[in-house]
Amino acid sequence: AQSVTQPDIHITVSEGASLELRCNYSYGATPYLFWYVQSPGQGLQLLLKYFSGDTLVQGIKGFEAEFKRSQSSFNLRKPSVHWSDAAEYFCALDRGSTLGRLYFGRGTQLTVWP
Amino acid sequence: NAGVTQTPKFQVLKTGQSMTLQCAQDMNHNSMYWYRQDPGMGLRLIYYSASEGTTDKGEVPNGYNVSRLNKREFSLRLESAAPSQTSVYFCASTGWDGYTFGSGTRLTVV
Repeated sequence: AQSVTQPDIHITVSEGASLELRCNYSYGATPYLFWYVQSPGQGLQLLLKYFSGDTLVQGIKGFEAEFKRSQSSFNLRKPSVHWSDAAEYFCALDRGSTLGRLYFGRGTQLTVWP
Repeated sequence: NAGVTQTPKFQVLKTGQSMTLQCAQDMNHNSMYWYRQDPGMGLRLIYYSASEGTTDKGEVPNGYNVSRLNKREFSLRLESAAPSQTSVYFCASTGWDGYTFGSGTRLTVV
């Protein structure tokens, strides 16, 4: 079976501070991994994805994520958070080989204080 | 613009009413999906269609039916709506270029 865990339901940071959102997965092989962001009332926007190769992945809006096989993790980071980053963030897994259904974590709500 | 189109964007139903959520993609993708999103639960798969003419259950299929009308269209039907089906519904498709999500349908069952 496969699953995605986002341990933090809600995170609050000050504008300009660094950010790390945690994502752990359970799967018997190397999955494809994704981070999505959702602003209130909006759809899902892809931030970045990992398929293979370089374990440090760069995405849009200044985000990056690092795949760590030994820790079964794919944490999302940003060096300096902007107020517009306030949103809900979802980590997702695909079992790989060919793109199929996504398994989502429950999400982390990010609040940014001015 | 290429993408996934969902209709309607908003809907209010009374308990016991039926309705169909429509989804269409114009990217020539083979696979299509219906997810529901509830607070604190992430997105959960209702049904999916790996190719035209096939459909399979996901995690939460009870109370729903689907039809893959052709390669472009994948509809989700609620035969007798219940308050527990109040949710935001997302359609998605996948192809060689990755996943594409629709903008969602916000459904309230009263």
